[in-house]
Amino acid sequence: GAVVSQHPSWVICKSGTSVKIECRSLDFQATTMFWYRQFPKQSLMLMATSNEGSKATYEQGVEKDKFLINHASLTLSTLTVTSAHPEDSSFYICSAGGIRPGELFFGEGSRLTVL
Amino acid sequence: AQKITQTQPGMFVQEKEAVTLDCTYDTSDPSYGLFWYKQPSSGEMIFLIYQGSYDQQNATEGRYSLNFQKARKSANLVISASQLGDSAMYFCAMREGVDSSYKLIFGSGTRLLVRP
Repeated sequence: GAVVSQHPSWVICKSGTSVKIECRSLDFQATTMFWYRQFPKQSLMLMATSNEGSKATYEQGVEKDKFLINHASLTLSTLTVTSAHPEDSSFYICSAGGIRPGELFFGEGSRLTVL
Repeated sequence: AQKITQTQPGMFVQEKEAVTLDCTYDTSDPSYGLFWYKQPSSGEMIFLIYQGSYDQQNATEGRYSLNFQKARKSANLVISASQLGDSAMYFCAMREGVDSSYKLIFGSGTRLLVRP
């Protein structure tokens, strides 16, 4: 079964509303999780590193006030897209690392459509 | 500066033949990890293979092998005996440092189409 789970898998919202996406590690603890965004036919672009119990580290060009990240427990990180606009429509995907160097698990992804 | 480069936007391969997807990287960190992922149209990221910078042998996982040329900073993916189900996007990625707290950076991807 999946070791990292995302919810919801897809969401449609009106412009101006906020949307929360959850990323859970199901059978391991993750002090660090990563949030990516992927536009159609493009690669995954790292948005931020989510750190349990502390502030997230955002990549250059990512608005921290628009993409709120909370990592309140060792198994849950959330990404909230605030005041969403159509240009925020994208595929958002999270990942978390396991214990071994090659272990890196991805969630199923969340497809956001802002009308 | 781009750290992961995939120069093949698209590739075709005949079913049952082998195909090589190119990936070059750039880092000054002696400890790093290289990953290959497959992304079908559903969007899920499917892990294929991992190579650590200190690994002496090239990684293999079933029909997948990684041709690791450290001096050339290349980490090409070789898929043997291609199957129709191999048609998908393929991403090469690098993590500087081997700890899971280090971020993973992706290349631009290669779309592979397997012809029957």
